[in-house]
Amino acid sequence: DQQVKQNSPSLSVQEGRISILNCDYTNSMFDYFLWYKKYPAEGPTFLISISSIKDKNEDGRFTVFLNKSAKHLSLHIVPSQPGDSAVYFCAASGSGGSNYKLTFGKGTLLTVNP
Amino acid sequence: NAGVMQNPRHLVRRRGQEARLRCSPMKGHSHVYWYRQLPEEGLKFMVYLQKENIIDESGMPKERFSAEFPKEGPSILRIQQVVRGDSAAYFCASSSPTGGAHNEQFFGPGTRLTVL
Repeated sequence: DQQVKQNSPSLSVQEGRISILNCDYTNSMFDYFLWYKKYPAEGPTFLISISSIKDKNEDGRFTVFLNKSAKHLSLHIVPSQPGDSAVYFCAASGSGGSNYKLTFGKGTLLTVNP
Repeated sequence: NAGVMQNPRHLVRRRGQEARLRCSPMKGHSHVYWYRQLPEEGLKFMVYLQKENIIDESGMPKERFSAEFPKEGPSILRIQQVVRGDSAAYFCASSSPTGGAHNEQFFGPGTRLTVL
């Protein structure tokens, strides 16, 4: 029962172009969404987050969009750089007492080609 | 300015042996979380601990797995009588008690357990 789905296992883009990573969720109790970046042999590193009261959050080259009605969020990276090559995990948490419990997708491997 | 530390980074055990994974949270963090990542899967929540207390162990298998976070020293995830299906990457994360409604969790580099 996957509550957070990343349907693209991999994505390849050219340096300088936009990378768009997608994520869908099924649990309507989720109200906080995060993106983590992970390099091989390292732990996930927090990238950007968005609360369900917003539909967009921007931080430098990274923007996360949330469409609550479609239960869909996306991460845009522009311009993409070779150093962005990593696995990107979408994660979600609910409100209230168990808001610490992150539910992760399976990840999307992004490769940015020079 | 050390981050979350985990050791060992790699652990090899034979079936039936015990595995002990250690996690030292970031300085000032008193909340620890353990996640497991099976091959080709995302990270899955196992347990949430505060000093000397297990807050939520709903993601932990009922048998063979236990976790603790003593008053002094690192958090320990213990797996008794390991089986091949326990082979995975185990990640620890920590957060500050004053981080607000959605405490940001900082992850360690993980321990890769291989059961032969």
